[in-house]
Amino acid sequence: GAGVSQSPSNKVTEKGKDVELRCDPISGHTALYWYRQSLGQGLEFLIYFQGNSAPDKSGLPSDRFSAERTGGSVSTLTIQRTQQEDSAVYLCASSSGGRGGGYTFGSGTRLTVV
Amino acid sequence: GQQVMQIPQYQHVQEGEDFTTYCNSSTTLSNIQWYKQRPGGHPVFLIQLVKSGEVKKQKRLTFQFGEAKKNSSLHITATQTTDVGTYFCAAWSNTGNQFYFGTGTSLTVIP
Repeated sequence: GAGVSQSPSNKVTEKGKDVELRCDPISGHTALYWYRQSLGQGLEFLIYFQGNSAPDKSGLPSDRFSAERTGGSVSTLTIQRTQQEDSAVYLCASSSGGRGGGYTFGSGTRLTVV
Repeated sequence: GQQVMQIPQYQHVQEGEDFTTYCNSSTTLSNIQWYKQRPGGHPVFLIQLVKSGEVKKQKRLTFQFGEAKKNSSLHITATQTTDVGTYFCAAWSNTGNQFYFGTGTSLTVIP
């Protein structure tokens, strides 16, 4: 597509429920990134995919968080047994790969755990 | 782990004044990028610097990469209300597996 698409744009869930966030990167972009941004805060790196492979998952906050990418395209970030501290905007970005060039961000998914 | 620190955290300026944000790393960076995030929006890529001592300009914005490639700065000349937002620098970790954003500088421009 023309840009990075994230869905849903907003998600309100009850504590303890599982949620799945989706990112559809720019067509042809091999690199995909997930970040978390709490209100008024900076961007917390979660995970990076090069193709379908995630070289480093150490940014994921806990074992309740997992992410996958299939077909070198769409990625899903799953949060199991959500907690109130998981409330944040989850941002996805993609790039054409390597360390060069800028990254294009999606508009994010605003997750609220009540 | 590696951190990229930015100062100041907040800056309020009168419209027309200049603004500078600084980005510092404890380790040598292969390159550095700058992003702008408007209130309620998502980060938007501004520029990438690669070479030691590199200086790039975009209209009223001037970006610099330090000689040692451990620091960078963004300078805005004669700020306008449209410059409002948070400016982030970002760089790859030494392992090359994580792309870190700096702590950000939030700019408020008073008309």
